Amino acid sequence: RKEVEQDPGPFNVPEGATVAFNCTYSNSASQSFFWYRQDCRKEPKLLMSVYSSGNEDGRFTAQLNRASQYISLLIRDSKLSDSATYLCVVRGGGFKTIFGAGTRLFVKA
Amino acid sequence: ETGVTQTPRHLVMGMTNKKSLKCEQHLGHNAMYWYKQSAKKPLELMFVYNFKEQTENNSVPSRFSPECPNSSHLFLHLHTLQPEDSALYLCASSQDLVSGANVLTFGAGSRLTVL
Repeated sequence: RKEVEQDPGPFNVPEGATVAFNCTYSNSASQSFFWYRQDCRKEPKLLMSVYSSGNEDGRFTAQLNRASQYISLLIRDSKLSDSATYLCVVRGGGFKTIFGAGTRLFVKA
Repeated sequence: ETGVTQTPRHLVMGMTNKKSLKCEQHLGHNAMYWYKQSAKKPLELMFVYNFKEQTENNSVPSRFSPECPNSSHLFLHLHTLQPEDSALYLCASSQDLVSGANVLTFGAGSRLTVL
């Protein structure tokens, strides 16, 4: 089993749609969770950290379910500019930061 | 200059060449990393340095040789590479290795092609 698993997609959605991604992780001792965004041929950039109580940043909502060992990202009112690859990132003890392979999102007009 | 800067952005080399990738961070961070990103694969951690000391070598072949002269600079020396080493090499930095948040800031990457 991969340490961090994501559906590679692609997810093709129209502008204004709501889309959700899930990510599962295998290490129950994982401590920190993040979503990064990577545009085509660019570097990954932090989108948001994921807190145990769930957190929201504008149109983006992240949730953590420790019991089932998954995190989710919900994007509301999708924009064309949201088209990117979304990377699930899980950090255990110390420096061990594991990246998922990413979920590709295409938002179409 | 801000953030994490990588040079060169693109590099084409033959299997017998020797070249180096350079990374510089202006964030005052103490930890620096090399990652490899191949097509349709997750980022693979290669090396980690904390306060100039190497703390991780993730079973990377010896044809990749890192160097960290200070907390702001990180190099990846390349020699006798193979075509399968062609990938995007990303440098990243973070405040340290123990902070709970420990967010990684990435450079734009060096796209390497080995002929």
